Amino acid sequence: ETGVTQTPRHLVMGMTNKKSLKCEQHLGHNAMYWYKQSAKKPLELMFVYNFKEQTENNSVPSRFSPECPNSSHLFLHLHTLQPEDSALYLCASSQDRGFRTGELFFGEGSRLTVL
Amino acid sequence: DAKTTQPPSMDCAEGRAANLPCNHSTISGNEYVYWYRQIHSQGPQYIIHGLKNNETNEMASLIITEDRKSSTLILPHATLRDTAVYYCIVSGTQGGSEKLVFGKGTKLTVNP
Repeated sequence: ETGVTQTPRHLVMGMTNKKSLKCEQHLGHNAMYWYKQSAKKPLELMFVYNFKEQTENNSVPSRFSPECPNSSHLFLHLHTLQPEDSALYLCASSQDRGFRTGELFFGEGSRLTVL
Repeated sequence: DAKTTQPPSMDCAEGRAANLPCNHSTISGNEYVYWYRQIHSQGPQYIIHGLKNNETNEMASLIITEDRKSSTLILPHATLRDTAVYYCIVSGTQGGSEKLVFGKGTKLTVNP
């Protein structure tokens, strides 16, 4: 139990569906992240939110749309996905103290399959 | 791109020390070395980090060479539950949000 909860744990969707992934952290952190982990590839940073503001978008296609309504919740809205978007999507959080500590707390991930 | 080089896989006998090497020859003076691990189908877990001094916590020890171009993560008494992919990451400390770039890591298999 890391204090970061992701739902759903597994999701299967068609290419025309719209779905959302949810992440909630109970650690009082103020920075949240989305990472993507495809089979046989390293983790890729997708988005960073700091105090609810997006501070990083790693050239992610617009079919992935993040939303951070408050410091505890992070969503990833999915629409018109491609089969190659099938991956493990990981949420993480950290405490922004104005300097980095290198300590990210990850959730268990949401396993997405696009048919 | 990751700034570190790690062997793709290693084996270790249960109860023995596991020594995982990492090369980071281009590390800058203000960059730290971080270690994470990822057990199958779970999110990565922070293990330890250091700048230039050796560090130890309840999970592992981190030995950094004097020139800081390489380091070794030591699990003193490996158990079957330590089977995982171990990531060595180099990153600076400026700015508040983390900018950790994960490489392919080392797949450690602890054998009975």
